[in-house]
Order: sequence, then structure tokens, then C-alpha cells
Amino acid sequence: ETGVTQTPRHLVMGMTNKKSLKCEQHLGHNAMYWYKQSAKKPLELMFVYNFKEQTENNSVPSRFSPECPNSSHLFLHLHTLQPEDSALYLCASSQRGLAGGYNEQFFGPGTRLTVL
Amino acid sequence: KNQVEQSPQSLIILEGKNCTLQCNYTVSPFSNLRWYKQDTGRGPVSLTIMTFSENTKSNGRYTATLDADTKQSSLHITASQLSDSASYICVVSEGGKLIFGQGTTLQVKP
Repeated sequence: ETGVTQTPRHLVMGMTNKKSLKCEQHLGHNAMYWYKQSAKKPLELMFVYNFKEQTENNSVPSRFSPECPNSSHLFLHLHTLQPEDSALYLCASSQRGLAGGYNEQFFGPGTRLTVL
Repeated sequence: KNQVEQSPQSLIILEGKNCTLQCNYTVSPFSNLRWYKQDTGRGPVSLTIMTFSENTKSNGRYTATLDADTKQSSLHITASQLSDSASYICVVSEGGKLIFGQGTTLQVKP
């Protein structure tokens, strides 16, 4: 493993359920990211947190709600999802440079989400 | 249109053979280019990173090349092993952002 853990690894939920994905990094990084990976498509950046502050939200629907209580933990709260939201959700962390920019990102194993 | 295009989309080779994966990009300005390997059910793991001035970078049996003039990169895998079966993702850094390719799925058969 790369020092970034994610739970659960697999999740099946109905469209009316509420669930949360958890990510924890043990690398001392100051930036954390949520990505969505759908089949045959490039990774899509969803959210970026820098020192617990959200610095990027790439037009993600409000049914996805991130939370970053500290630099080591990142959550993605899910509610009233759609079947097309089924995908692999990856968390990553990195050390953000003083001038901004993305230093090498270390990825977790992902949560395979299926929405029925 | 994605700014990072990878080819082929998928590839099957026999164990022990070599192969080359391609990445063409239109990203500008260009900061660096990374190749990641993603095993099934796992997150991507970095293989190589090259800056503008680097032409080649090796990591064991993996060798990445970069031609910044033609905006092309390749990942060459030598003497493939079954464990090389994975998706290989090309990622180009545009200033402060990462642009991901769609990946090439490699299957190595015994």
C-alpha cells in the first residue's frame, strides 16, 4: 500500500441511501484529492483540499459532499445518487508546493461504488 | 477533446515480449509528464516522471521517452511479465493542474 487508505473498498447502495467514503493518508501531506474513475474514461478530478480548505470543486453535483476535518482525513458524503454515479472513487494526497502546483500524488486503492 | 490521448486503448502480448505504449498531448504550458501503473482494483502508482528537459527515464524494465517538440511520450516495457498486466496512464501537468489520459490496458499472457 502507498500510505493512503480508503474504506470501504466496495459499496453497493440504493438511490435513496446516504453513505460516506473515508480516506486517510499517513504521509504527512498537506493536500488531498477526490477522483472519479469510470470505465474507459480518464480520471476526473472532483475536489481538492489544501490545508483542510477546499480549493477546487470541478462542477461536481451537490449529491457529493466532501469534508476534510484535518490534513490527514477526507470524506465524501453521498446522498440520492444516480446509477451513472457508479464508478471507482479514488483518494490521493500530495505535498502542495509553496508556489502551488501538484507535486507527485499518491493514490489510495479506491472504493468501488455501485448505485442500484 | 481530451488533451492527452493514449494508444492503443488495449494490448495483449505474450510473456517475455517487449511492448511500447504511446501518449500524445496538446497540453500547454507543459510542466512534466508522468506514467502511472494501475493494477486492477488498486489506485495508480507512479512509474516515471519527466520534466521538459528530460528525454528518457528508466525504472527497471520500464523506460519512458519524451519528445517535447512533437509532444509525444512513450513507455517501453522490456521482457514483459504477467505482473505487468495493468492499465498504464499518462498524466501531463499543465501549470498547476494534472491532465489524465484514458489509459492503455495491457494484458500479458503466458
